Amino acid sequence: SQTIHQWPATLVQPVGSPLSLECTVEGTSNPNLYWYRQAAGRGLQLLFYSVGIGQISSEVPQNLSASRPQDRQFILSSKKLLLSDSGFYLCAWSDSGQGNQQHFGDGTRLSIL
Amino acid sequence: DAKTTQPTSMDCAEGRAANLPCNHSTISGNEYVYWYRQIHSQGPQYIIHGLKNNETNEMASLIITEDRKSSTLILPHATLRDTAVYYCIVRPYNAGNNRKLIWGLGTSLAVNP
Repeated sequence: SQTIHQWPATLVQPVGSPLSLECTVEGTSNPNLYWYRQAAGRGLQLLFYSVGIGQISSEVPQNLSASRPQDRQFILSSKKLLLSDSGFYLCAWSDSGQGNQQHFGDGTRLSIL
Repeated sequence: DAKTTQPTSMDCAEGRAANLPCNHSTISGNEYVYWYRQIHSQGPQYIIHGLKNNETNEMASLIITEDRKSSTLILPHATLRDTAVYYCIVRPYNAGNNRKLIWGLGTSLAVNP
């Protein structure tokens, strides 16, 4: 069966520090991968998606970047965090040919001080 | 994509059926109705999806009106663990467009003992 791992679960970082969040998927090949952010009391906002290694599409201009160095690895990064980067970050995957059934990790709660 | 409208919040007694409505009056012929739920501080969980026929799985039933302008998610015997935010999303079942799910604020369902 397929599983998705996302870590860390919680993170507290000072303003201006770098960020690296990692997501890995097991049990499937060539998945579509996604990074979402959810602000408190808000819906999910798609940040990045990837349909293959090295292929990243950005949905909104922002202080973050994403990379996909391996088929089942998706990384969210920042060189210098802003206060506005605080939120709940979610990684998800879907089969490339299975429509919109996305499977989510447990998320990372990021607090910027 | 078609827009959905859901009540902000609902209550349900434990053991009773929870009926969550969703209005999608501008839905197109190729758009499916998807339901997800998000338990507090967790990633969203896929529940069910359908096109025009009613669907049932181990989690819930989905009833879509004949004109497809609205649907109802039914949790037949709600438990306290069903307390969550429920999202109704419409989207084409198309591998080329499957990356974007537009997430609204959903319905916050509280199951009471």
